[in-house]
Amino acid sequence: AQSVTQLGSHVSVSEGALVLLRCNYSSSVPPYLFWYVQYPNQGLQLLLKYTSAATLVKGINGFEAEFKKSETSFHLTKPSAHMSDAAEYFCAVTPITSGTYKYIFGTGTRLKVLA
Amino acid sequence: DTEVTQTPKHLVMGMTNKKSLKCEQHMGHRAMYWYKQKAKKPPELMFVYSYEKLSINESVPSRFSPECPNSSLLNLHLHALQPEDSALYLCASSPGTSGRRTGELFFGEGSRLTVL
Repeated sequence: AQSVTQLGSHVSVSEGALVLLRCNYSSSVPPYLFWYVQYPNQGLQLLLKYTSAATLVKGINGFEAEFKKSETSFHLTKPSAHMSDAAEYFCAVTPITSGTYKYIFGTGTRLKVLA
Repeated sequence: DTEVTQTPKHLVMGMTNKKSLKCEQHMGHRAMYWYKQKAKKPPELMFVYSYEKLSINESVPSRFSPECPNSSLLNLHLHALQPEDSALYLCASSPGTSGRRTGELFFGEGSRLTVL
């Protein structure tokens, strides 16, 4: 069975500071891992994904994440927070055994950026 | 065109009404999904259609009735809903078995449903 844990339901950072959002997973098969961002009253937008290629994954808007198998982690980072990064962030995992994807989402982390 | 379009964006309905949510994509994707998202929670999977056939039903109450008339269109028919069904309903799509399996879902912006 697969599961995802996001540590910290709320994270606050100052503008220009490092953003670190934590995601740990458990999976009995090699996972595909994702970070999605959701702005208020909008759908989910893919930030980046790990699909068993490079362990350091670069995404949109300056975000990146590193897959660490030994720590079962896929933490999301951005060197310098911008006010526009304030949103809800979801980590997700899915097996790729068929053409349809049954995501397991983390509970989400709300990022607040302070001026 | 990499969009999933959902209509209406907002819907208010009474408990005795019948209404429908609509989702459309023109990316040639062959899998389409309905999710329900309550405030401050992650999305919860409701239904998945693969090649216009229902492949996953996550034990959703029968007052929600999905329909996939063709590979580009997905509907969610609503009847006799309860106030607790008020939520953001998200549609998503993925290429299906014929496409490259990246695991990515493409989400629409959602339909905000309020049941009075």
